[in-house]
Amino acid sequence: TQLLEQSPQFLSIQEGENLTVYCNSSSVFSSLQWYRQEPGEGPVLLVTVVTGGEVKKLKRLTFQFGDARKDSSLHITAAQPGDTGLYLCAGGHNNDMRFGAGTRLTVKP
Amino acid sequence: EAGVAQSPRYKIIEKRQSVAFWCNPISGHATLYWYQQILGQGPKLLIQFQNNGVVDDSQLPKDRFSAERLKGVDSTLKIQPAKLEDSAVYLCASSLDATGAGTLHFGNGTRLTVT
Repeated sequence: TQLLEQSPQFLSIQEGENLTVYCNSSSVFSSLQWYRQEPGEGPVLLVTVVTGGEVKKLKRLTFQFGDARKDSSLHITAAQPGDTGLYLCAGGHNNDMRFGAGTRLTVKP
Repeated sequence: EAGVAQSPRYKIIEKRQSVAFWCNPISGHATLYWYQQILGQGPKLLIQFQNNGVVDDSQLPKDRFSAERLKGVDSTLKIQPAKLEDSAVYLCASSLDATGAGTLHFGNGTRLTVT
């Protein structure tokens, strides 16, 4: 059983479209992180959110942490082929990080 | 700074054989993690070290998996004997922060295929 549920599992869109992916849990997390993983590589950190209701922006990416610190969303504006990858959320749990199964995003030119 | 180094990059073995993976974390990072990532899934924590002590190994199949971090730097993960379901990418990560809110820096992993 995954501590963190991510949806959708797969997403295929055209370049220029907007999208939102979700990370949900019944547990409260001290912090939540989003990583992006490309084939053959390890995940790379995009952002860490620690405060309920927090919103962080990273260029075309907007991250939101739920008020109750149980869920998060990642919104990408005007997606580009370079955004293609596996997006993973990870929650801080008892001093370690537990990952969701990820959303595999494909952006077609 | 140099990243997390892992070797080998790929390994193919037959079931019931043994295999070992090596990880060299970023210099100065006290916390080291081993994750197992099965195709199509997210990374699953196997074991976490703080310096050379084990913090969490609750998800490590201890009948066949073992890990050590001698001198609080490099780490090895061993599987003996391997099963078909052990086929996965084994990721090592290190972190400066031990509180669970720090950045995890990952290596590129070792892809294990068990036939």
